Amino acid sequence: DAGVIQSPRHEVTEMGQEVTLRCKPISGHDYLFWYRQTMMRGLELLIYFNNNVPIDDSGMPEDRFSAKMPNASFSTLKIQPSEPRDSAVYFCASSTYLAGALGGANVLTFGAGSRLTVL
Amino acid sequence: GQNIDQPTEMTATEGAIVQINCTYQTSGFNGLFWYQQHAGEAPTFLSYNVLDGLEEKGRFSSFLSRSKGYSYLLLKELQMKDSASYLCAVSGGGSYIPTFGRGTSLIVHP
Repeated sequence: DAGVIQSPRHEVTEMGQEVTLRCKPISGHDYLFWYRQTMMRGLELLIYFNNNVPIDDSGMPEDRFSAKMPNASFSTLKIQPSEPRDSAVYFCASSTYLAGALGGANVLTFGAGSRLTVL
Repeated sequence: GQNIDQPTEMTATEGAIVQINCTYQTSGFNGLFWYQQHAGEAPTFLSYNVLDGLEEKGRFSSFLSRSKGYSYLLLKELQMKDSASYLCAVSGGGSYIPTFGRGTSLIVHP
């Protein structure tokens, strides 16, 4: 498997423009996550999907952010309009839930990230 | 939610041993993870602890004490390539989705 694939790897845009980030999860993984990483706030969960359905979007900063997962192999994170404070590295990750005797775990595999700079 | 605390930065010498601590507060603990992240790269999974005790995996070991809300990652025989950020993550509060700490930047020098 090629792992989690994200595009673009780098994006530089001007304030007010629309930004679309894309993600292809690992085949067979039924969870997909969008994280944002900055020096100030670390790695923050924005939203996650299970079986293509959004489960928790409480981390999405505001209405300018939206995410979709139209099928099991593709997701987008859209920012419209973009602002300089949105500059960050956006990671997509996927996982499958591994049940165990004492519960279970979601071990995440991350994509390489999309570095967004909003001028 | 989860409160996760780990040191911001540590330095160590090549060949030495270093211990990176993580303390957390959560209800309904479901597991603790350690991830490694090299500069400019994605986090990669290192270890998972759900029971108290030490889990050893080559040069890396991870320890958990659930009663103390405490974990550490132990790195032995440090190599220059171990210079990276080490992220502690906890799942709990009814969820199996991990919440990440801010990470500890480890600098290994000759």
